[in-house]
Amino acid sequence: KQEVTQIPAALSVPEGENLVLNCSFTDSAIYNLQWFRQDPGKGLTSLLLIQSSQREQTSGRLNASLDKSSGRSTLYIAASQPGDSATYLCAVNNNNDMRFGAGTRLTVKP
Amino acid sequence: DTEVTQTPKHLVMGMTNKKSLKCEQHMGHRAMYWYKQKAKKPPELMFVYSYEKLSINESVPSRFSPECPNSSLLNLHLHALQPEDSALYLCASSQVDMGFVYEKLFFGSGTQLSVL
Repeated sequence: KQEVTQIPAALSVPEGENLVLNCSFTDSAIYNLQWFRQDPGKGLTSLLLIQSSQREQTSGRLNASLDKSSGRSTLYIAASQPGDSATYLCAVNNNNDMRFGAGTRLTVKP
Repeated sequence: DTEVTQTPKHLVMGMTNKKSLKCEQHMGHRAMYWYKQKAKKPPELMFVYSYEKLSINESVPSRFSPECPNSSLLNLHLHALQPEDSALYLCASSQVDMGFVYEKLFFGSGTQLSVL
């Protein structure tokens, strides 16, 4: 059964810093991997989807990479802003079974 | 329309009540999901419907009964719940590609359920 781990569990940075969130998974036979943002008590907002054949995806200040062979993905956030404060989760698709990591709780201080 | 709409947003019910959660999407997605999320925990998959047929049931207790009446609607019927079932219940949908791979997940804002 796929296990998904996210490190760190929490991260606090000053505004303007660039940062990297990590996601690792045990079974590399994935279809795709998706990064989400969740604000407290709310649903999940999709940020980026990477197919198993892709190495990275970019959207604005966000860049997600995928190294399937090593079972790792990273989410890079450039020039962080207080509005980026949220929990970031990765979800891995194995045979259409989507498994989530526990998330990284990000705080960006003004 | 890129929304997944869930109703109600909040629900309080007693252990003897019967209630239903509703989810609707008009994006033409043919996979729909129910997830359960406890506070400060990741979402846990409960059920997946693909082309209106139940394709994944993650050994969920029978007091939770899913229903997919058509390609746009997904219901979750609740009966005789326990206090530990209190959680945020999230609905999601995704396209299914030609290889029957589920693509990008779109989530609703959830129903916050409290069982007294």
